[in-house]
Amino acid sequence: AQRVTQPEKLLSVFKGAPVELKCNYSYSGSPELFWYVQYSRQRLQLLLRHISRESIKGFTADLNKGETSFHLKKPFAQEEDSAMYYCALKRGGNTPLVFGKGTRLSVIA
Amino acid sequence: EPEVTQTPSHQVTQMGQEVILRCVPISNHLYFYWYRQILGQKVEFLVSFYNNEISEKSEIFDDQFSVERPDGSNFTLKIRSTKLEDSAMYFCASKASDYGYTFGSGTRLTVV
Repeated sequence: AQRVTQPEKLLSVFKGAPVELKCNYSYSGSPELFWYVQYSRQRLQLLLRHISRESIKGFTADLNKGETSFHLKKPFAQEEDSAMYYCALKRGGNTPLVFGKGTRLSVIA
Repeated sequence: EPEVTQTPSHQVTQMGQEVILRCVPISNHLYFYWYRQILGQKVEFLVSFYNNEISEKSEIFDDQFSVERPDGSNFTLKIRSTKLEDSAMYFCASKASDYGYTFGSGTRLTVV
């Protein structure tokens, strides 16, 4: 069975500090990994997906198959980055996403 | 930007009552999903729907749940006899092929 682990429930950083939100997964096949963000009481929004290799709002994430990780990083945190961040895995095709428990990022001014 | 729309945003119901949660997916999307999030817990998959039938369901999606696409645009989740533990945020999502999932803003269901 597939599983996504986000070890930190809450992460607090100062504005301008680097951010790393951890995500590890377990899946025997070739997964597709995503990061979703949920701002206060809003919908889940796709932040990025590993196959796109893009940078959205300054965030990047690299899939490390050896470490089965997909950590989300940003070099300089902004206050508007404060939100819940969910890492998610898809087995393939149009199968449903499997989510981690989420990490609440709080950026302190 | 197209959105997935969910109504109502908040529903309060008495235990044992039936509820229908409604979703309007993005018009050219073909794959539809329901997820739920119990307060303080992770987002959990319930069911996926494609070509007018269930394509996959989780162990949570038991006989008290059903889904349908009654009119080609709405996608509904029915909970037949609600229990206290059904209280959660329910998210609808839709997907075109080979792209990410677009989520609705959710319906907060409170069973009292």
